[in-house]
Amino acid sequence: KNEVEQSPQNLTAQEGEFITINCSYSVGISALHWLQQHPGGGIVSLFMLSSGKKKHGRLIATINIQEKHSSLHITASHPRDSAVYICAVFSVQGAQKLVFGQGTRLTINP
Amino acid sequence: NAGVTQTPKFRVLKTGQSMTLLCAQDMNHEYMYWYRQDPGMGLRLIHYSVGEGTTAKGEVPDGYNVSRLKKQNFLLGLESAAPSQTSVYFCASSYEAGAYGYTFGSGTRLTVV
Repeated sequence: KNEVEQSPQNLTAQEGEFITINCSYSVGISALHWLQQHPGGGIVSLFMLSSGKKKHGRLIATINIQEKHSSLHITASHPRDSAVYICAVFSVQGAQKLVFGQGTRLTINP
Repeated sequence: NAGVTQTPKFRVLKTGQSMTLLCAQDMNHEYMYWYRQDPGMGLRLIHYSVGEGTTAKGEVPDGYNVSRLKKQNFLLGLESAAPSQTSVYFCASSYEAGAYGYTFGSGTRLTVV
């Protein structure tokens, strides 16, 4: 079982819809990161969370440390939001390092 | 713009050839990392460095070597490329490990034929 699991793996929605991507992890962490990767593009850091909630524009990220779960929400989705969204946790168990989920491919149709 | 710069962006190698990927950052970050990204798999750590002159192995270090002679540069070398090393390589840096932000480069797409 992967230490970081994302769901869904693929998500297609219509422009304007509210989007939720989930991330569950099984290790102790000091921080959780949400990253964005456009097709053929580089990786951009969206959020780093250790507790609570963060908001940037139409993006909201939440984390529940007790339940080892995080969500990334996109309000009023737009075709330019189409990308792969990657959850990564900084594990404090064993070798301290970033552990990545496999990513969620989001497609927003106009 | 401040950030992480990777060169080259694309490269095709023949099996057995060697090459070096360069990662440069201008944020005075101590930590630097090399990852590879393959279809259906999350990013995997190849090697990392916690400061100038230091390097350490990650999850998948075989077939790669690294050097960090200057704080701002982290080099990834392939001494004898193999088709299994066809991948997209990402460099990243952070001020420290743990609850600090990571900055990623734009990636190098390497094909070994």
